[in-house]
Amino acid sequence: GQQVMQIPQYQHVQEGEDFTTYCNSSTTLSNIQWYKQRPGGHPVFLIQLVKSGEVKKQKRLTFQFGEAKKNSSLHITATQTTDVGTYFCAGPDSNYQLIWGAGTKLIIKP
Amino acid sequence: KAGVTQTPRYLIKTRGQQVTLSCSPISGHRSVSWYQQTPGQGLQFLFEYFSETQRNKGNFPGRFSGRQFSNSRSEMNVSTLELGDSALYLCASSSLAGNPVGEQYFGPGTRLTVT
Repeated sequence: GQQVMQIPQYQHVQEGEDFTTYCNSSTTLSNIQWYKQRPGGHPVFLIQLVKSGEVKKQKRLTFQFGEAKKNSSLHITATQTTDVGTYFCAGPDSNYQLIWGAGTKLIIKP
Repeated sequence: KAGVTQTPRYLIKTRGQQVTLSCSPISGHRSVSWYQQTPGQGLQFLFEYFSETQRNKGNFPGRFSGRQFSNSRSEMNVSTLELGDSALYLCASSSLAGNPVGEQYFGPGTRLTVT
């Protein structure tokens, strides 16, 4: 079946460093969604990308959707302690059911 | 607008028992999905309901079942609990189902512990 692979599983950064997580789908996606889950919390929707090659920014967060619509990335510039959490990507399968990546946990080194 | 609510928030059960979890979606949302999340794991899809009909089902045993009522509230039931069922159960609602897939609004979850 369709799979969405997300790497890395964990990323340790010093505060102020950049962070990137990548998603790759085994099939072309009609769109991709990104969510953030804070420790002890629930996933919260961040953004949806629909168009091939689309780039969207939210303050220090930059989201990209690949030209082939099979991969996507989330880049955070100059991480802050408020960015700590797990970032998930999700894309719909042929039944329009979201297939989720395993998530990338952002850890800020003390 | 009130968010997604889930009850109870915490639950402790013993092996072999059954449990029912409840989810009230955002007003006007007719799609409700259920997920299981274990420590360090991603979101494992259980099932999705839309207008009282199950649209999709994940790869879970038949011990896991759900339903949706006419007011869009949903319940999921797990029978004959096993230790491995200990997890955070998340409910998500959306205003859309099918194409396009809508953004998911998650509730706080029910933390189930099976002893």
